[in-house]
Amino acid sequence: SQQGEEDPQALSIQEGENATMNCSYKTSINNLQWYRQNSGRGLVHLILIRSNEREKHSGRLRVTLDTSKKSSSLLITASRAADTASYFCATDAYGDTDKLIFGTGTRLQVFP
Amino acid sequence: NAGVTQTPKFRVLKTGQSMTLLCAQDMNHEYMYWYRQDPGMGLRLIHYSVGEGTTAKGEVPDGYNVSRLKKQNFLLGLESAAPSQTSVYFCASRSVTWTSGTETQYFGPGTRLLVL
Repeated sequence: SQQGEEDPQALSIQEGENATMNCSYKTSINNLQWYRQNSGRGLVHLILIRSNEREKHSGRLRVTLDTSKKSSSLLITASRAADTASYFCATDAYGDTDKLIFGTGTRLQVFP
Repeated sequence: NAGVTQTPKFRVLKTGQSMTLLCAQDMNHEYMYWYRQDPGMGLRLIHYSVGEGTTAKGEVPDGYNVSRLKKQNFLLGLESAAPSQTSVYFCASRSVTWTSGTETQYFGPGTRLLVL
């Protein structure tokens, strides 16, 4: 079964708006990662946040992690049409760091 | 650097046929993974390898076999294809920096498989 569940499943916004996606997971983790997938392509790593971190920034991306709620959010600020993609969270499982478990993803559509 | 490459890009099989998907990486990574992605779902792990000569089962291993004879290659075999194996298959390799606790998986472009 999948560890992460993203919310919402789909999101449509206008260019310039912010996009927020949420991820919930089930077990304790060492880290949580976010990946992006353009249509018909492989996934691309965006950002990793460790379990002892609460917030991390990378360019227009901001990730938060709340281990007490077992949840994370990905914020994309000032979105662009090129941000249109599916976004997945992925977690390891505390004590089993050899593999990742991916969520079901959020499909983001940014209209020009 | 080619990164992670997959062959073939697309294949159509008849039920009962067999085939092998090839994944190659040129980043000297120890860890490699095979996933499948079905519509509306995330990636599900089929098999993985933590180094040359090793393999392990993932979440959905039934109907698949793998081999990691060389560090740079990870092969996924379908012994007797079934329509339920129609999917997009992704290979990934993983870099880990133990000192900083960071890691990244690098994905190939995918193989689209249709089983009739």
